[in-house]
Amino acid sequence: QVQLVESGGGVVQPGGSLRLSCAASGFTFSNYAMHWVRQAPGEGLEWVAFIQKDGSTKYYADSAKGRFTISRDNSKNSLYLQMNSLRVEDTALYYCAKARIDLGAVAANWGQGTLVTVSS
Amino acid sequence: DIVMTQSPDSLAVSLGERATINCKSSQSVLYSSNNKNYLAWYQQRPGQPPKLLIYWASTRESGVPDRFSGSGSGTDFTLTISSLQAEDVAVYYCQQYYDTSTWTFGQGTKVEVK
Repeated sequence: QVQLVESGGGVVQPGGSLRLSCAASGFTFSNYAMHWVRQAPGEGLEWVAFIQKDGSTKYYADSAKGRFTISRDNSKNSLYLQMNSLRVEDTALYYCAKARIDLGAVAANWGQGTLVTVSS
Repeated sequence: DIVMTQSPDSLAVSLGERATINCKSSQSVLYSSNNKNYLAWYQQRPGQPPKLLIYWASTRESGVPDRFSGSGSGTDFTLTISSLQAEDVAVYYCQQYYDTSTWTFGQGTKVEVK
């Protein structure tokens, strides 16, 4: 079955950097677009970034543009999110999500998330 | 960006009764060339990641019980749970994917048992 396991979260000071990873299994990773979605404590969902199955197309939320970079390594079945210039408001649970094969915009499977805390 | 607004923010429904959640988009998410509404619904149970319920406004994801249904077009959409079960206690989110480079969620609607 589909498994998505996020890692790399932690506590970082404002202005710092983190690299999140998502290990995928149970499906042919290279056939699917992927997303990062975050959820601040007690808040709703916020889409962060999207990457096409071959990495050719990437989209970012305005809040992530210029600071975050989404990437993938299909040979390692892994998705990444490099986060730089982190702000207090980036504190959230970050989910990795697999898109539907026929509808890249919709997140069909989600991991359990990795928590990022930005605090001085 | 397209803003998604859900109502109500929360509702309490007796087991076996109908629950109705509304979602309104700031602009139409109906794509005229294919007559499809670019709208999805997700369920997030307490302590769990979200789960896709419905896409294209009314197409149920595989494995989703048929008590869940989606309707609406253009800017106004509804998620209906026809007979609330205990396991349906969750927060429900709508999401638009009409804007191909910026996808946005509603603020969520919390469903509880009365």
